[in-house]
Amino acid sequence: RKEVEQDPGPFNVPEGATVAFNCTYSNSASQSFFWYRQDCRKEPKLLMSVYSSGNEDGRFTAQLNRASQYISLLIRDSKLSDSATYLCVVNPLGQNFVFGPGTRLSVLP
Amino acid sequence: NAGVTQTPKFQVLKTGQSMTLQCAQDMNHEYMSWYRQDPGMGLRLIHYSVGAGITDQGEVPNGYNVSRSTTEDFPLRLLLAAPSQTSVYFCASSRDRGRGEQYFGPGTRLTVT
Repeated sequence: RKEVEQDPGPFNVPEGATVAFNCTYSNSASQSFFWYRQDCRKEPKLLMSVYSSGNEDGRFTAQLNRASQYISLLIRDSKLSDSATYLCVVNPLGQNFVFGPGTRLSVLP
Repeated sequence: NAGVTQTPKFQVLKTGQSMTLQCAQDMNHEYMSWYRQDPGMGLRLIHYSVGAGITDQGEVPNGYNVSRSTTEDFPLRLLLAAPSQTSVYFCASSRDRGRGEQYFGPGTRLTVT
C-alpha cells in the first residue's frame, strides 16, 4: 500500500461547483498535514495546512480524521483559476515529507 | 525575502557530462531537500539535509551527490548525466524535518540527450 493515496482524478467540474478531494495515509505517526497546489510546469505551492479541528480559508476547507487516517479538501464555488493538481502531503514527526500522487482538477467555463 | 531560488531554469546536457544545480534559501531553514518530478509521477526525494554538514539519501539517490557547507546553500551534482535523469528538479526547504511547511524553488528543467 502506498504511504499516501489520493483520488485518481481527473476531476472536470463546471464553474461554481463544489468539489471534494480525498486523501488517505498509512503512517499513523504522521503529525503534520498539508494541501499543496501545483500548476502545470510550476513548483508546488502551499495551499493550506490541515489541523485536527479542521480549518477553512475562504472557499477552501480542510478536514483531518486521525482515527481513519484520512484528509479531505473541499473547494466551494470553483473558479477557472482553481484548475491545478492538488497534492496531499503528510509529515511523520522527525521524518521526511511524503507526497501523494496528486489529483488534477479542471474547472470548465 | 527571495525564498528558495534555483539556477539554472533550463539545461540541456549530453550523456556523460556533469553539472551542478544550485539551490539557495534565505529563510534560515535547517531542512533542505531535492526532488525530481517526471511526467505522470509524483515527487520523488533524491537527497536531503537536516542542517549544515549533514546530508542523507532519499528514495532515488543514484547518480546524484549533494553537500551542505552552509545553511543557505544545497547544490545537487549530476556526476555522469544519463537520459534517465531527464526530469524537472525541485529544491525545497522547511524549518525542520518533520515540522512546518515546505517551500519550493521554481525548478530546473533538465534534458539529457
